[in-house]
Amino acid sequence: DADVTQTPRNRITKTGKRIMLECSQTKGHDRMYWYRQDPGLGLRLIYYSFDVKDINKGEISDGYSVSRQAQAKFSLSLESAIPNQTALYFCATRPGGESNQPQHFGDGTRLSIL
Amino acid sequence: GNSVTQMEGPVTLSEEAFLTINCTYTATGYPSLFWYVQYPGEGLQLLLKATKADDKGSNKGFEATYRKETTSFHLEKGSVQVSDSAVYFCALTMDDKIIFGKGTRLHILP
Repeated sequence: DADVTQTPRNRITKTGKRIMLECSQTKGHDRMYWYRQDPGLGLRLIYYSFDVKDINKGEISDGYSVSRQAQAKFSLSLESAIPNQTALYFCATRPGGESNQPQHFGDGTRLSIL
Repeated sequence: GNSVTQMEGPVTLSEEAFLTINCTYTATGYPSLFWYVQYPGEGLQLLLKATKADDKGSNKGFEATYRKETTSFHLEKGSVQVSDSAVYFCALTMDDKIIFGKGTRLHILP
């Protein structure tokens, strides 16, 4: 089983719909992150959480919200999807404490907004 | 602020060629440096890392040396394989901030 699991893997939906992407982890890490990946732009940080009660905006949080339901679960919501939110979305985790620890990524959710 | 700049792709090489993907960084302090690899249809996975100056990270035949004097962390491999075709990301972490480069797509031809 994967350490960081994202559901769904693929989603096609219409403009204006509410969408939730889910992420769960079995690594016991405190820190969790949501990124989006667009061609030529690399990864951009949407939101991150250092523990259940600590949620922070990233560089592109407008149009998104998150919920950290438990240490192991971090969900990303698009309240009213728009076509320019079509992208590949990744969840990542990292242990707290030292900055020399790498992130661990899920396999991504490919989201298409029509 | 902190930033990472890596060479733009795509990079196309023949099998068994020597590979270099350049990465330079700016940081106020002493970051940890990473290379991640993303294979088609998958998330990023750690390839190698270095946490202080002059450290060399290595894995799967890839190497990168943390060069503080040139603020660089170039990725190298002596003989690439078709299976190395992927997107490679250079990244730094410092004070719980993580900065990624934009990625370099590598194509290896048989």
